[in-house]
Amino acid sequence: GAVVSQHPSWVICKSGTSVKIECRSLDFQATTMFWYRQFPKQSLMLMATSNEGSKATYEQGVEKDKFLINHASLTLSTLTVTSAHPEDSSFYICSARRESDQPQHFGDGTRLSIL
Amino acid sequence: EDQVTQSPEALRLQEGESSSLNCSYTVSGLRGLFWYRQDPGKGPEFLFTLYSAGEEKEKERLKATLTKKESFLHITAPKPEDSATYLCAVRGFGNEKLTFGTGTRLTIIP
Repeated sequence: GAVVSQHPSWVICKSGTSVKIECRSLDFQATTMFWYRQFPKQSLMLMATSNEGSKATYEQGVEKDKFLINHASLTLSTLTVTSAHPEDSSFYICSARRESDQPQHFGDGTRLSIL
Repeated sequence: EDQVTQSPEALRLQEGESSSLNCSYTVSGLRGLFWYRQDPGKGPEFLFTLYSAGEEKEKERLKATLTKKESFLHITAPKPEDSATYLCAVRGFGNEKLTFGTGTRLTIIP
């Protein structure tokens, strides 16, 4: 159990385009979902935390208007990178947590390349 | 501020050669310490949660232990398929988020 699906796994698009990434918990309801960014050979950097039906809490330095997060249901959260630029190219990973004392389970990530 | 330091940064072992990975942490009240495995180009895969000093968890060739200052991930008779980056993370009381270490990149040579 505890399967998290992330889609797409890989996307290439032109500068100025907006890109949406979906994160679904397939076999459990996630009260909290998290979005991370990971640079090559570095650890995960938390971008934001979202609870179903509430506004996301962003980490310091993360632009809310650039990285839009929607957690509309207990099984789906989306991250939209608006007006993406080459510096937004990265590996984006989501995670979901069933309840507060449960571990986070991660999706397989989305490789985003902005040309 | 919670901090996690993992060592070594990279480790190469012969198949069957047992060893341990270290995770040192500082946190104001440990709510949980987590071990994950990450393969290249994939998201982290959950391995263990440890909650209090003295606790141990096992899964196949892996065993995780916890003290008040550090955790060890012991790998017994590893196989090439155990090659991955192993991440340690902590969560403190009153904190929603995990603080990750930079990981140990483990390579098992056949």
